[in-house]
Amino acid sequence: TAGITQAPTSQILAAGRSMTLRCTQDMRHNAMYWYRQDLGLGLRLIHYSNTAGTTGKGEVPDGYSVSRANTDDFPLTLASAVPSQTSVYFCASSDNRGQADTQYFGPGTRLTVL
Amino acid sequence: GQNIDQPTEMTATEGAIVQINCTYQTSGFNGLFWYQQHAGEAPTFLSYNVLDGLEEKGRFSSFLSRSKGYSYLLLKELQMKDSASYLCVPLDSNYQLIWGAGTKLIIKP
Repeated sequence: TAGITQAPTSQILAAGRSMTLRCTQDMRHNAMYWYRQDLGLGLRLIHYSNTAGTTGKGEVPDGYSVSRANTDDFPLTLASAVPSQTSVYFCASSDNRGQADTQYFGPGTRLTVL
Repeated sequence: GQNIDQPTEMTATEGAIVQINCTYQTSGFNGLFWYQQHAGEAPTFLSYNVLDGLEEKGRFSSFLSRSKGYSYLLLKELQMKDSASYLCVPLDSNYQLIWGAGTKLIIKP
């Protein structure tokens, strides 16, 4: 199985432009997550989804939006990118949220905003 | 506040043993994960401890002491491919993962 896939692998984006990072999982996990990872810092949760049709805000949600139309897909949208959103973005999934379920990660998207 | 304390970087020799220590302070506690992250890659699951004691899984073992807020990851028979960052990730009372910057482990031949 593929597990979790993310697209694109990397992207250079002009400030002010919008972009959607794609994430798809084939493990039928209920919960999905978006994190950003900046050099020297731990992962920071942007948004999460407990199940299809629901989403919630994480630690750093400003400037980002998500949707969860079905179990498999959890896209992350930057409406108007700013240089501080330059980061590596990881999508993850787990059986459930609110339990000690292992999170499995996609390969990441490296985003540079100029 | 919630806090994780791990060494920023450690160096060890191929074939040797290394112990990566982690102390944590969280609002409640529901177990602790260890993840491995190679440079430029995603974190991958290594272990989960919720009870005190040692969990052994091949060359890797993880230990937990809840009363001390302490865990360690023990890596035996080190291989060059073990060069990576190791992330100590406790779960708080809301089952939220608390991520720190981790320990960068450098293996030398």
